[in-house]
Amino acid sequence: EAQVTQNPRYLITVTGKKLTVTCSQNMNHEYMSWYRQDPGLGLRQIYYSMNVEVTDKGDVPEGYKVSRKEKRNFPLILESPSPNQTSLYFCASSLRGYQETQYFGPGTRLLVL
Amino acid sequence: GESVGLHLPTLSVQEGDNSIINCAYSNSASDYFIWYKQESGKGPQFIIDIRSNMDKRQGQRVTVLLNKTVKHLSLQIAATQPGDSAVYFCAETTSGSARQLTFGSGTQLTVLP
Repeated sequence: EAQVTQNPRYLITVTGKKLTVTCSQNMNHEYMSWYRQDPGLGLRQIYYSMNVEVTDKGDVPEGYKVSRKEKRNFPLILESPSPNQTSLYFCASSLRGYQETQYFGPGTRLLVL
Repeated sequence: GESVGLHLPTLSVQEGDNSIINCAYSNSASDYFIWYKQESGKGPQFIIDIRSNMDKRQGQRVTVLLNKTVKHLSLQIAATQPGDSAVYFCAETTSGSARQLTFGSGTQLTVLP
C-alpha cells in the first residue's frame, strides 16, 4: 500500500531534550516536506526536500533540522525542543514537487513541557 | 502581507444538500490552487486542484470554481454525505517560483442527518 508513515504518533518530552520524528514514504517520491499545524494558523511548512541531499527552509524553520540521506526517509530533528514547538506535525511527499499531489502522513502530536 | 483565508470557519449542511466552501487569496501571482480534506485524526487528503488558466474544474461530486478577478475560489460538494464532514483547506502557490504552498486556516464542514 502506497503510504507515508511517521513515528512516533504521539510524543511528550521536556524542554531541551533532543528528539527525532521519522518520516518514510514507499512511493519513490522525490519531494518531501514537513509541516506543523496549529489552531487557527493552518499548515505551515518547516522544511522541504526536492531530492536526496537537497533540502531547503520553509516558512518556519527555526528550531528544526532535517536530513535527506535516502530517498524514502526525511527525519525531522528538534535539537533543543521548546514549549512553542508543541504542535501537530505532518510529513508529506509528492512525485516531483509541491505542484503535484502531496500525500500526507497521519501526523505526530508533540507536547513539549 | 500575503494570505490565504476562508470566509467562514464553520459550515453546517443537511445531508443531501450541496455545500459551498469559500476561500480568498491575496497574492495576484498565484496560479495553482488545491483543496484538501482533513478528517479528524488524519492527515490532509488531496481533493481537487485547478490552475489559473481554468475557471472551473469538476471531479467526483466536487467542483472547484476560480475567480481570478476577485481572487476567490470555492469548493462545491454535491449531495453532501456524512463522510464529507471534515475540515477543508485551500492552498495556493505560484508556478515556477521557489514559493511553496500557502495554506488557509480551514473550514469545518458538519453534515447534519
